[in-house]
Amino acid sequence: GENVEQHPSTLSVQEGDSAVIKCTYSDSASNYFPWYKQELGKRPQLIIDIRSNVGEKKDQRIAVTLNKTAKHFSLHITETQPEDSAVYFCAATLANQAGTALIFGKGTTLSVSS
Amino acid sequence: DAGVIQSPRHEVTEMGQEVTLRCKPISGHDYLFWYRQTMMRGLELLIYFNNNVPIDDSGMPEDRFSAKMPNASFSTLKIQPSEPRDSAVYFCASSLVLGIQLFFGSGTQLSVL
Repeated sequence: GENVEQHPSTLSVQEGDSAVIKCTYSDSASNYFPWYKQELGKRPQLIIDIRSNVGEKKDQRIAVTLNKTAKHFSLHITETQPEDSAVYFCAATLANQAGTALIFGKGTTLSVSS
Repeated sequence: DAGVIQSPRHEVTEMGQEVTLRCKPISGHDYLFWYRQTMMRGLELLIYFNNNVPIDDSGMPEDRFSAKMPNASFSTLKIQPSEPRDSAVYFCASSLVLGIQLFFGSGTQLSVL
């Protein structure tokens, strides 16, 4: 069925390194792609999003790129810091007969060691 | 605004008991979503409402699950009877526009023994 695949499931980096998380989606009609960060025991929170008419968006140390042809998008975190350690979820809009909703990937656990 | 408010934060119950989770969305948000989070399956969409009307409940796992939204400021997710495999964190979220910029509540950690 329609879904969002996310890789890797876990990622360990040294402080100061870059981290990249990739997602693919199956619904060619998807037009909105947010990323959420969930710290341990807390709620998911939106950190950046991109719409299908844009190829790249940047906000300080985080950036998201979108390739609509290949149906994949990626989160890039530069100069990682220990406080970036969390679970990151990608998501994409999915339309079905009932309506349109946000479907999430299974998450990537990022660990940044100092 | 206090954000999306869920209660209880934690619920421990025995198999077969009825469980009711509650949610108050952000005022003015027309969309309300119920998600379930587990290690194996990640964040799964269970159901969502638009202006208090259920739009898509295809994610509700079984007839044991039901959700209501009697007014714009309150929704419930009920499990009856509960089973151990229902143990998970249940999140409520709301948004102004469908699927855009969801705001999540703190979640309810449900443990069914």
